[in-house]
Amino acid sequence: GNSVTQMEGPVTLSEEAFLTINCTYTATGYPSLFWYVQYPGEGLQLLLKATKADDKGSNKGFEATYRKETTSFHLEKGSVQVSDSAVYFCALSDHGSSNTGKLIFGQGTTLQVKP
Amino acid sequence: DTEVTQTPKHLVMGMTNKKSLKCEQHMGHRAMYWYKQKAKKPPELMFVYSYEKLSINESVPSRFSPECPNSSLLNLHLHALQPEDSALYLCASSRQSQSEQFFGPGTRLTVL
Repeated sequence: GNSVTQMEGPVTLSEEAFLTINCTYTATGYPSLFWYVQYPGEGLQLLLKATKADDKGSNKGFEATYRKETTSFHLEKGSVQVSDSAVYFCALSDHGSSNTGKLIFGQGTTLQVKP
Repeated sequence: DTEVTQTPKHLVMGMTNKKSLKCEQHMGHRAMYWYKQKAKKPPELMFVYSYEKLSINESVPSRFSPECPNSSLLNLHLHALQPEDSALYLCASSRQSQSEQFFGPGTRLTVL
């Protein structure tokens, strides 16, 4: 079945460091891919998305490129801030035979940015 | 209005209580979802409503009863819950069932 694998955390970085959070997926067909962010005590916020191969999603300095050849959707940011400390979830939309759009989540990666 | 709202923010209930969680969106979305999230885990899908009809029930125990009174509202009725049901309950909506989902802030439920 479809699945998403994220790098295990926590990831601890100093402010202004470069961030990469790895995400790979297994899917039949052509899923849409998403990154969601969850700040402490809050719900999930859609950070960015990509709907087809080679699409690049970007938002708030974060980027991720839909790589079909490597089945990956790695999240990157050039210079992290303390306010980026949160849990990041990679997800794919399972279009399946029933076209339900069910989201398949990775396990989440906790990012802690220190001043 | 581009947000999903959920009430209450926090709820504490005993195992014999009956309570309800409410979710509302005014984005014209036609799919709505309930998720359960335990600490340090990803959300787990519970129910999906598409065009106000229940389209997915992920084998959720009957002590959880969803209701979609209209296209903007989604309720989750709770009865005879167990302590292990304590979690963050998230509502989400999407334009259609295949579009990106937008989440509410959640209801933090504690069952005593």
